[in-house]
Amino acid sequence: EVHLLVSGGGLVQPGGSLRLSCAASGFTFNNYAMSWVRQGPGKGLEWVSGISGSGDSTSYADSVKGRFTISRDNSKNTLYLQMNSLGDEDTAVYYCAKARSGTKMTSSWDSWGQGALVTVSS
Amino acid sequence: QSVLTQPPSASGTPGQRVTISCSGSTSNIGVKTVKWYQQFPGTAPKLLIYSNNQRPSGVPDRFSGSKSGTSASLAISGLQSEDEADYYCASWDDSLNGPVFGGGTKLTVL
Repeated sequence: EVHLLVSGGGLVQPGGSLRLSCAASGFTFNNYAMSWVRQGPGKGLEWVSGISGSGDSTSYADSVKGRFTISRDNSKNTLYLQMNSLGDEDTAVYYCAKARSGTKMTSSWDSWGQGALVTVSS
Repeated sequence: QSVLTQPPSASGTPGQRVTISCSGSTSNIGVKTVKWYQQFPGTAPKLLIYSNNQRPSGVPDRFSGSKSGTSASLAISGLQSEDEADYYCASWDDSLNGPVFGGGTKLTVL
């Protein structure tokens, strides 16, 4: 059974940094692209970033480009999201999501982590 | 402002058939497949439909998807109270080089 466990959320001051982790199990991690998707309070879903199965290809939403960095450690079956220069607009629940098939980035995710709340506030 | 456009709300009575629309453009739905996600409050989204009209294992056949041109629809037949949730459409956008979502539709079962 696929399981994705997100950790690292919390309260951070504006301008601060935070790193999210997503520990994966139940599938061959490096065979699948992964993404981070967030949801602000009372808002809809927003794709944040994606990474290919090998980790050699990454993509970012314009809203986080230059501030967030996605990475993965296939030896540890773990996905990361390093978030810097955080602002109020980054307050959201952050989900990691597994591509339904293949190592290329996609908008089709068949498994999701439970989400981690990131609150940016002074 | 979401790239894909959905109605903010929809409703129906038990047993009815309801449809939720999703409008896009030639850079996303017009050339890429559409997915639908179901989300209950406080929980992660769940993939409901992929490749326009394919259901993952375990999704009831009451849920169906279709696509025409730059628009797509999710249909739910035999509406049940447990279908009350938020529904999101998604696709890939070639201009943005990334996934895009609709703003979501809150389905109420009256």
